[in-house]
Amino acid sequence: KNEVEQSPQNLTAQEGEFITINCSYSVGISALHWLQQHPGGGIVSLFMLSSGKKKHGRLIATINIQEKHSSLHITASHPRDSAVYICAVRSGGSQGNLIFGKGTKLSVKP
Amino acid sequence: NAGVTQTPKFQVLKTGQSMTLQCAQDMNHNSMYWYRQDPGMGLRLIYYSASEGTTDKGEVPNGYNVSRLNKREFSLRLESAAPSQTSVYFCASGVRTGIYGYTFGSGTRLTVV
Repeated sequence: KNEVEQSPQNLTAQEGEFITINCSYSVGISALHWLQQHPGGGIVSLFMLSSGKKKHGRLIATINIQEKHSSLHITASHPRDSAVYICAVRSGGSQGNLIFGKGTKLSVKP
Repeated sequence: NAGVTQTPKFQVLKTGQSMTLQCAQDMNHNSMYWYRQDPGMGLRLIYYSASEGTTDKGEVPNGYNVSRLNKREFSLRLESAAPSQTSVYFCASGVRTGIYGYTFGSGTRLTVV
C-alpha cells in the first residue's frame, strides 16, 4: 500500500467549476506539500502546511492531521490550471524526506 | 532569478556510457536532493545531501553516485548507464530547520538506448 494516496488520478472539468483533489497518508508527518507540475515538466511548490488551511489566490489547501487527510481546492477553474497536482508528505523521522503521491492530472476545458 | 539550475535539459546515452547531471542553487539552502520521475509512479528519492560534505542514499540509489561539491552544487553521476535509468530527473533544494518549502529544478529528460 502506498504511503500517500491521491484521488482522483484523472480529473476533467469545465472552466469555472470548483475542483477538489484529495490526499490521504498513512505515516506520521511534520508537513504536507502540494506541488504543481505543468505539461512542460517543471515542478512548483504551491503550499506547505502542517495544520488548518492556507489560501493563495484561487487555491485553497486544507489538512486534517487526525484524519491524515488533505484537500486542494481550486475555485473558478481555468484552462491554465491544467496540470498534474502532486501531494507530498514530509515524514516525521529525523531525515524528514518527502514521500510523494502519484499525482492527479487535471484538465480544465474552456 | 533565485532558484535551482539543472543541466542538461535533455540527454540521450548509449548503454554503458557515463554522464553527470549538474545542479546548483543560489538560495543558501542546506539540503539538496535528486529525484527520478517515472510514468505511473511518484517522484522517488535517489540521493540527498543534508548539508555540505554529507550525502545519503534515498529509495533508489543503485547505479548512481553523487557529489556535494559545495553548498551550492550537488551533482548526480551515472557511471554505466542502463535502459532502466531512462527517466526524468529532478534536483531540488530546501532548508532543513522548521517548516520549509522545496524549490525544484526544471528537470533532465534522460533516455538510455
